[in-house]
Amino acid sequence: GAVVSQHPSRVICKSGTSVKIECRSLDFQATTMFWYRQFPKQSLMLMATSNEGSKATYEQGVEKDKFLINHASLTLSTLTVTSAHPEDSSFYICSALGQPNTEAFFGQGTRLTVV
Amino acid sequence: GDSVTQMEGPVTLSEEAFLTINCTYTATGYPSLFWYVQYPGEGLQLLLKATKADDKGSNKGFEATYRKETTSFHLEKGSVQVSDSAVYFCALWGDTGFQKLVFGTGTRLLVSP
Repeated sequence: GAVVSQHPSRVICKSGTSVKIECRSLDFQATTMFWYRQFPKQSLMLMATSNEGSKATYEQGVEKDKFLINHASLTLSTLTVTSAHPEDSSFYICSALGQPNTEAFFGQGTRLTVV
Repeated sequence: GDSVTQMEGPVTLSEEAFLTINCTYTATGYPSLFWYVQYPGEGLQLLLKATKADDKGSNKGFEATYRKETTSFHLEKGSVQVSDSAVYFCALWGDTGFQKLVFGTGTRLLVSP
């Protein structure tokens, strides 16, 4: 099956700093990628939909200036958490839409801890 | 809008017991239905899927049948193993409007030896 690689798997950062998370589709081109946030023992919350070459579409309540998404190529999308605070600590998961657009493949997730 | 409802967990079973995790959905049109599994500290893996009514998805002993008349996609396995302990998410992919995966809340399965 298709592989989506997410990096890093874990990151600890200080309050006020920014963190970038990468999501790569390794063996297919993904025009659409999704970014999710998952709180402990809860379901996935869609944060934004990222389309290659265009601005991301953010879900209601998600701060686009805080969670910067870039999808500059067909195999890479990045999520940057700017000016991170402890409440941003969470598990972030990306997924990439495979062809023919009926299946999403997920990365391994990134555990972000802000201290 | 589209939605998915799963049974609350955790579901606690002994090894070799029969598993059912209920999932029902609300959607317009003809969505595709999925079960994903999440092991501790990891992302989601696709377990099985069905893209049209009466389709049965199956994988690793798990199966689920797309029932349009009852809008359900219940997950079953005849004999669970300790290694099946994980969180299971039911999801749908709508075929109308803005396409995205809609997840249920997840059901944690705990299998003891």
